[in-house]
Amino acid sequence: NAGVTQTPKFQVLKTGQSMTLQCAQDMNHEYMSWYRQDPGMGLRLIHYSVGAGITDQGEVPNGYNVSRSTTEDFPLRLLSAAPSQTSVYFCASSSLQGGNQPQHFGDGTRLSIL
Amino acid sequence: SQQGEEDPQALSIQEGENATMNCSYKTSINNLQWYRQNSGRGLVHLILIRSNEREKHSGRLRVTLDTSKKSSSLLITASRAADTASYFCATDFNNDMRFGAGTRLTVKP
Repeated sequence: NAGVTQTPKFQVLKTGQSMTLQCAQDMNHEYMSWYRQDPGMGLRLIHYSVGAGITDQGEVPNGYNVSRSTTEDFPLRLLSAAPSQTSVYFCASSSLQGGNQPQHFGDGTRLSIL
Repeated sequence: SQQGEEDPQALSIQEGENATMNCSYKTSINNLQWYRQNSGRGLVHLILIRSNEREKHSGRLRVTLDTSKKSSSLLITASRAADTASYFCATDFNNDMRFGAGTRLTVKP
């Protein structure tokens, strides 16, 4: 039982490049989400999904796209990378949306935009 | 902002001592959770406390919630070097979950 798996663990991009951060969970969780973590700040919600085919914006969605074609996978796409998107990105899942269930986190993707 | 704010930002103690971290927030909440993050890893859930609960325990962890003061505390008793990590509170109101910036705990052997 792997939990939440994120790939890659590290990535360096040039400004303007695009890439996809992968996230997969094997717990059959309906709710999945993406956060970014910046120094001195809490995790900020980028996008989330309450089930396959359903996605919605979080607190900081600009510059990112998501899709949810299966229950297991929730990729995050950077359309045109900018230095402000340098951050650590975490994917999380839980059985239900909201704070009445524990969130299960992956180990993160450390992304640097040059 | 609903986001919780942890205090202190950093805490350094000796092994065996107790560690107390506080979380304050500004709006109503349904639930509050505490998470631990080891360096270079994802967050790990510790405890969830609901708005109608005042205290919960899990092993060496004790969480209190005072909704009248809009604050929560996390107590780690008999700390160990392995407790060295960052600790975050997360507040939830109507499925809107917000994380604080965390307390960095260092436990010296």
